[in-house]
Amino acid sequence: DQQVKQNSPSLSVQEGRISILNCDYTNSMFDYFLWYKKYPAEGPTFLISISSIKDKNEDGRFTVFLNKSAKHLSLHIVPSQPGDSAVYFCAAERGETSGSRLTFGEGTQLTVNP
Amino acid sequence: NAGVTQTPKFRILKIGQSMTLQCTQDMNHNYMYWYRQDPGMGLKLIYYSVGAGITDKGEVPNGYNVSRSTTEDFPLRLELAAPSQTSVYFCATGQGEKLFFGSGTQLSVL
Repeated sequence: DQQVKQNSPSLSVQEGRISILNCDYTNSMFDYFLWYKKYPAEGPTFLISISSIKDKNEDGRFTVFLNKSAKHLSLHIVPSQPGDSAVYFCAAERGETSGSRLTFGEGTQLTVNP
Repeated sequence: NAGVTQTPKFRILKIGQSMTLQCTQDMNHNYMYWYRQDPGMGLKLIYYSVGAGITDKGEVPNGYNVSRSTTEDFPLRLELAAPSQTSVYFCATGQGEKLFFGSGTQLSVL
C-alpha cells in the first residue's frame, strides 16, 4: 500500500525553465509534507516543507503547493539550474513530530539540461 | 561537525553471513533511524530509536537488529544475510520531521 506516490520516475527540463514535481497521497491523516533532494552517492537532504494549514510555502527558487482536497502537492523550481539535477523525494507525516512517522514516495529524477 | 557518518560505504556479503553497519552522529539528537532504499522505491524505515536504550521497529524490521547504547551510535546488525537485503542503507538523525542523513551503505548479498 503506497500511501505516497510520485508517478513520474523522471523529468527533464531546460536550464532557466520551471520544473514541476508532483506527489499524491492517499492518507487523509497526513498533515505535514516535506521534500528531500538526493545527489548520487549522498544521503537525502531536506529541501522544503509545508504544514496542512497552509497551501503554499516558498524558499528562494523553491515553492511547494498543497491541495488538500485533491491530496496532491507539487514542488516548483524556478528558474531551474543544472545543479538542481538530483532525485527528489516527497515525504508525508501524520500528527506526531517524530520522523518515525515519515512515509516517502518513490522519488523523481530531475535532469536540468544546460 | 561531521553530521552523520556511516561505515562501510560498500560491502558484498555471501548468503548467511552477518555484518554490522555502523552509524555515528555528532549532532546530539535523540532520534536516530535506519532506512533502506531499493531501486525505484522510496525509503522504508527499518528501525528507529528515540534515545539511548530505546529502540522500536519500523515498517520493514525483519532480518535486522539494532542497539542504542549511546546518543551518538546506532549500529544495524544483519544476522543471516539474504539476497532480499541487497539495498542501500541510510542512517539518519533529527529533531522533528527534518532528518539529516548519512551518505549510505551499498550492500549486495550474493
